[in-house]
Amino acid sequence: DADVTQTPRNRITKTGKRIMLECSQTKGHDRMYWYRQDPGLGLQLIYYSFDVKDINKGEISDGYSVSRQAQAKFSLSLESAIPNQTALYFCATSDASGRTTDTQYFGPGTRLTVL
Amino acid sequence: AQSVTQPDIHITVSEGASLELRCNYSYGATPYLFWYVQSPGQGLQLLLKYFSGDTLVQGIKGFEAEFKRSQSSFNLRKPSVHWSDAAEYFCAVGGANTGGFKTIFGAGTRLFVKA
Repeated sequence: DADVTQTPRNRITKTGKRIMLECSQTKGHDRMYWYRQDPGLGLQLIYYSFDVKDINKGEISDGYSVSRQAQAKFSLSLESAIPNQTALYFCATSDASGRTTDTQYFGPGTRLTVL
Repeated sequence: AQSVTQPDIHITVSEGASLELRCNYSYGATPYLFWYVQSPGQGLQLLLKYFSGDTLVQGIKGFEAEFKRSQSSFNLRKPSVHWSDAAEYFCAVGGANTGGFKTIFGAGTRLFVKA
């Protein structure tokens, strides 16, 4: 079974709809991340969480919100989806080692299309 | 500001030929450096990483990378490319200077392998 799972894998929605993307992990990591991938732009950080009570905005958090329901679950919401939020979304986890940054483990991604 | 540049958007090599993917970074201290690979329809997977020590690091699938501080580079190499290496490759930098526990990704280089 995959260590980091994302649901749904694909979603088509309409402008103005509320959407939730879910991420679960079995790696036991404290740190979790949400990224957005657009062609030619690499990965941009939306939100990150170091534990259940610690949530931080990334570089492109406007229009998004998150919830860390448990150590293993980190959800991303689009309160009112707009077409330029059409992208591939990745969840990732990382171990809270002594280093400030370490290997990230990625889910398979959610392809979101906003019409 | 911290940044990662991958100068080549895409590269095409013949199967069996050698490969070098370029990565340059801008960072105010000793960086932690990573190479990830993304196969079609999948999330990113770590190929290799550099934290300290030997500047030539070995990774999975026969890849290696060399950290050159004087050139601010961390190029990825493979002596003989296989058709299964066709994917997108991301260079990334992290460490204390990235605002704490964050990783900055390059825009990616897509590798095409021709028979």
